[in-house]
Amino acid sequence: GAGVSQSPSNKVTEKGKDVELRCDPISGHTALYWYRQSLGQGLEFLIYFQGNSAPDKSGLPSDRFSAERTGGSVSTLTIQRTQQEDSAVYLCASSPQIRGGDTQYFGPGTRLTVL
Amino acid sequence: DQQVKQNSPSLSVQEGRISILNCDYTNSMFDYFLWYKKYPAEGPTFLISISSIKDKNEDGRFTVFLNKSAKHLSLHIVPSQPGDSAVYFCAASARGGNEKLTFGTGTRLTIIP
Repeated sequence: GAGVSQSPSNKVTEKGKDVELRCDPISGHTALYWYRQSLGQGLEFLIYFQGNSAPDKSGLPSDRFSAERTGGSVSTLTIQRTQQEDSAVYLCASSPQIRGGDTQYFGPGTRLTVL
Repeated sequence: DQQVKQNSPSLSVQEGRISILNCDYTNSMFDYFLWYKKYPAEGPTFLISISSIKDKNEDGRFTVFLNKSAKHLSLHIVPSQPGDSAVYFCAASARGGNEKLTFGTGTRLTIIP
């Protein structure tokens, strides 16, 4: 079956511009997560969705970052007024979360480069 | 504050031998542990997991060991194959909450033919 998809795969933008990153989770998965991996770092949690609500936004690094999820499916991560330190690979993951301990399945990521 | 640590950034192993990747954690609330494998330009792929009620889980060539008292887990791959060359991430979560994963910084495994 189809896995998690993300678009675009690569995004180059100028400092100060806004960007939108999209995630299509596996059909039926209620939980959706955004992570990012900066150069030489591990994956860093950003935000968690259960259905359309985001009970945990604790990982968002600043108020320039926001995310939404509609219809319990597609999610969009928006970064306003991008800065060079926002350059990273942004990864989305989904899980069924029917019970505890469900595996998270990752998409291929969006590589964001802020010039 | 790095709650999940992979202290070896790289490891080289001869094909056919055993690869052992290590991971340490500090948060005693973690009760579910996973290993992911990542190739360049791809997302992490789930490999194997273990719950804190177990000390070993095996799946084919992959075995994960958990030592709760030492807050240490390891991934054993035997026999190692060239296709195993990738970056391996250890991750942990506390079940019952949002189950967000806390990742280590990864170990790059290279299998030498």
